[in-house]
Amino acid sequence: SQQGEEDPQALSIQEGENATMNCSYKTSINNLQWYRQNSGRGLVHLILIRSNEREKHSGRLRVTLDTSKKSSSLLITASRAADTASYFCAWALYNFNKFYFGSGTKLNVKP
Amino acid sequence: GAGVSQSPSNKVTEKGKDVELRCDPISGHTALYWYRQRLGQGLEFLIYFQGNSAPDKSGLPSDRFSAERTGESVSTLTIQRTQQEDSAVYLCASSLSGGLAFDTQYFGPGTRLTVL
Repeated sequence: SQQGEEDPQALSIQEGENATMNCSYKTSINNLQWYRQNSGRGLVHLILIRSNEREKHSGRLRVTLDTSKKSSSLLITASRAADTASYFCAWALYNFNKFYFGSGTKLNVKP
Repeated sequence: GAGVSQSPSNKVTEKGKDVELRCDPISGHTALYWYRQRLGQGLEFLIYFQGNSAPDKSGLPSDRFSAERTGESVSTLTIQRTQQEDSAVYLCASSLSGGLAFDTQYFGPGTRLTVL
């Protein structure tokens, strides 16, 4: 994508392990969000981190943001089989009339 | 309250026909977004409505695509003279506000469009 990427594209781990996904973007942002998509429940918002924040937690989720490197990471601790899904980062273009989603990381958590 | 709803959930059409996809946002949400997701890929932004402001249509993939929104309620995405490359899931989302706030987006279940 011209606007950003996520890596890895796919990640397979055992239940109980931690999963880390990375997102890189190319524009100035106001905030960055992470979403989860699975076949059963569609796209669901997970967490939002503002450009003046460096780290945010929500339950087993930890998001970091480095605006100098234009990158963010999502850490899921103590993963569960139910975490199996695709994870996307999303951000708004600087003039806020376009919105971008990363290419996504497909996470498979094996029980 | 109800979430974002989209109709139809599935649409199969023949190449060259026009299709209209509908999105009902969450009541009170001023911002509405349309995305396209091809199989196994990420979301491609199409268009965004914020209140009564004229939308930026530059994200629409071709002039066969158009979108309308009545006030802060229902939106329709119309694809004219459909092509096989238009086959995808079309997702609609709404948020309490848009623009500088870029609020959490709440997504509908999508419309799966198949062009034969």
